[in-house]
Amino acid sequence: DAGVIQSPRHEVTEMGQEVTLRCKPISGHDYLFWYRQTMMRGLELLIYFNNNVPIDDSGMPEDRFSAKMPNASFSTLKIQPSEPRDSAVYFCASSLHVNYGYTFGSGTRLTVV
Amino acid sequence: KQEVTQIPAALSVPEGENLVLNCSFTDSAIYNLQWFRQDPGKGLTSLLLIQSSQREQTSGRLNASLDKSSGRSTLYIAASQPGDSATYLCAVGANQAGTALIFGKGTTLSVSS
Repeated sequence: DAGVIQSPRHEVTEMGQEVTLRCKPISGHDYLFWYRQTMMRGLELLIYFNNNVPIDDSGMPEDRFSAKMPNASFSTLKIQPSEPRDSAVYFCASSLHVNYGYTFGSGTRLTVV
Repeated sequence: KQEVTQIPAALSVPEGENLVLNCSFTDSAIYNLQWFRQDPGKGLTSLLLIQSSQREQTSGRLNASLDKSSGRSTLYIAASQPGDSATYLCAVGANQAGTALIFGKGTTLSVSS
């Protein structure tokens, strides 16, 4: 298996634009997690899915953020409109269990100017 | 709400030195504790997993201990090497069903040759 695949690796966008981050989890993993990493706040959980259903979205900062998982092999995290404070590295991870066995993708570094 | 703290935030040591990284958590009712490694520009890789009933786990030159009652864990690295240079993150798996991993901000280790 190629592991968890995220795209794009880097994204630079202007404030106010829509940004879509993509993730392909490991086949057979029932859980998919979206985390955001910044120097100030570390690695924070945004949302996670179990069998394509969102379970905990309490970490989603505000209505500008939305996440979907239309099938077991694909998830998106969308920010609309983007703001400079959204600049961070966004990680996707997948797992067979909710609290161990995570495999992380390489992340998407988002810069909003 | 569970909080995970790692001290120090950064550490520089000469090659060959033994070192200890610290992790503390506020709620002792945990399911497990894990240590991850993150290389620059990469995702996280799991190093060690300690179940709540265990006191320690070892893998090669790495030894992780867990003291649930005091809310502490340590990662001991023996005979450090330049290749150990990375950020080490501690993560707690909660005892409640449906709770994803909560991460500390990490300790960035630099081992000089």
